[in-house]
Amino acid sequence: EAGVAQSPRYKIIEKRQSVAFWCNPISGHATLYWYQQILGQGPKLLIQFQNNGVVDDSQLPKDRFSAERLKGVDSTLKIQPAKLEDSAVYLCASSLDPAGGELFFGEGSRLTVL
Amino acid sequence: AQKITQTQPGMFVQEKEAVTLDCTYDTSDPSYGLFWYKQPSSGEMIFLIYQGSYDQQNATEGRYSLNFQKARKSANLVISASQLGDSAMYFCAMREGLGSGGSNYKLTFGKGTLLTVNP
Repeated sequence: EAGVAQSPRYKIIEKRQSVAFWCNPISGHATLYWYQQILGQGPKLLIQFQNNGVVDDSQLPKDRFSAERLKGVDSTLKIQPAKLEDSAVYLCASSLDPAGGELFFGEGSRLTVL
Repeated sequence: AQKITQTQPGMFVQEKEAVTLDCTYDTSDPSYGLFWYKQPSSGEMIFLIYQGSYDQQNATEGRYSLNFQKARKSANLVISASQLGDSAMYFCAMREGLGSGGSNYKLTFGKGTLLTVNP
């Protein structure tokens, strides 16, 4: 069974530029999560999707971050314009259902904002 | 207040010895789940073990066991017979509201403990 796929693995941009990250969850997983992990910290949830609907985006900086999961499968996270403090690893995870079982994580997309 | 507290930024252990990584949590929800994840330098989060709040017995998965003390709100991870490949960041995480019938069961992570296994 294929795992959670993310791309790109690494991205370097200058502040005020834009960037997009893509995630393809495990087949059949209805719930998809985007986490932000700043160096030295634990992951912080940015947004949670159940199929193509948003369940929780309370910690998403909506003035610059957006995410979509149009067909309830893969998802895109966009940052525009990027700030220095957005430098982090962006982890995508999926689970079969929101209430039980573990989250399966991708390898992450490492963003450096100069 | 922190929901998940991991008080050990770093831990060292000799190969083949056991090590305990501490985790305390804070919740008023009667139904919750506790997870431990391993994050090697490659960056991927690897699920290790899960304990439900109503589980009567401590969870075990191979060399991993979870020392669950509900009254103390602690969920320490015990790794027996440490191996060099166990060197990694370890995160404790909690999922609340499992009995509420809702759909938001986000996982909240602690800050992690960096484990180094010495040969």
